[in-house]
Amino acid sequence: AQTVTQSQPEMSVQEAETVTLSCTYDTSESNYYLFWYKQPPSRQMILVIRQEAYKQQNATENRFSVNFQKAAKSFSLKISDSQLGDTAMYFCASRNSNSGYALNFGKGTSLLVTP
Amino acid sequence: DGGITQSPKYLFRKEGQNVTLSCEQNLNHDAMYWYRQDPGQGLRLIYYSQIVNDFQKGDIAEGYSVSREKKESFPLTVTSAQKNPTAFYLCASSIDPGQETQYFGPGTRLLVL
Repeated sequence: AQTVTQSQPEMSVQEAETVTLSCTYDTSESNYYLFWYKQPPSRQMILVIRQEAYKQQNATENRFSVNFQKAAKSFSLKISDSQLGDTAMYFCASRNSNSGYALNFGKGTSLLVTP
Repeated sequence: DGGITQSPKYLFRKEGQNVTLSCEQNLNHDAMYWYRQDPGQGLRLIYYSQIVNDFQKGDIAEGYSVSREKKESFPLTVTSAQKNPTAFYLCASSIDPGQETQYFGPGTRLLVL
């Protein structure tokens, strides 16, 4: 079974600072994708960033970047220059080819950005 | 505008009643998914469909049913057999799930009276 573990239920960061959210995963697939989704108070799930496992280079999207350590099965999200609008639940997810490529989610990290 | 719509935003169910949650997409996506979200937990897969007239059970399908008669529509019925239906339900779709990202609708909050 594929599992995704987020070990930080809650985190807090001050505006303009940098924060890193942790995620570890377990998969038996050789080629896989990993994702970070953001869920603000509106509860709309928004894709933040995705990483293809066969790519060596870590994905980046503006202030968001990942540290993908394939051997360690680690996939952390770094948010630079944190903004108040980054306050949200953040979910790490892997894709399961055995379930029509449905997503396996971690339990989430609640991030609070303070002024 | 292209996107995924879910209705209603809030839904109340009485004991023993079946209710249906709507999910529609105009993105021409082949694959569609239903997830359930409970407090303190991530999303869990209820059902998925990769093509019209075909669907498969996910991890927590008991007490739920779906249909996929049209490409753009994937309604979820919460039956009376689902004893703890209070949750937030999210629908998602993807044009090519093996390569592309899933996109989510705004969700439906189901509450039991």
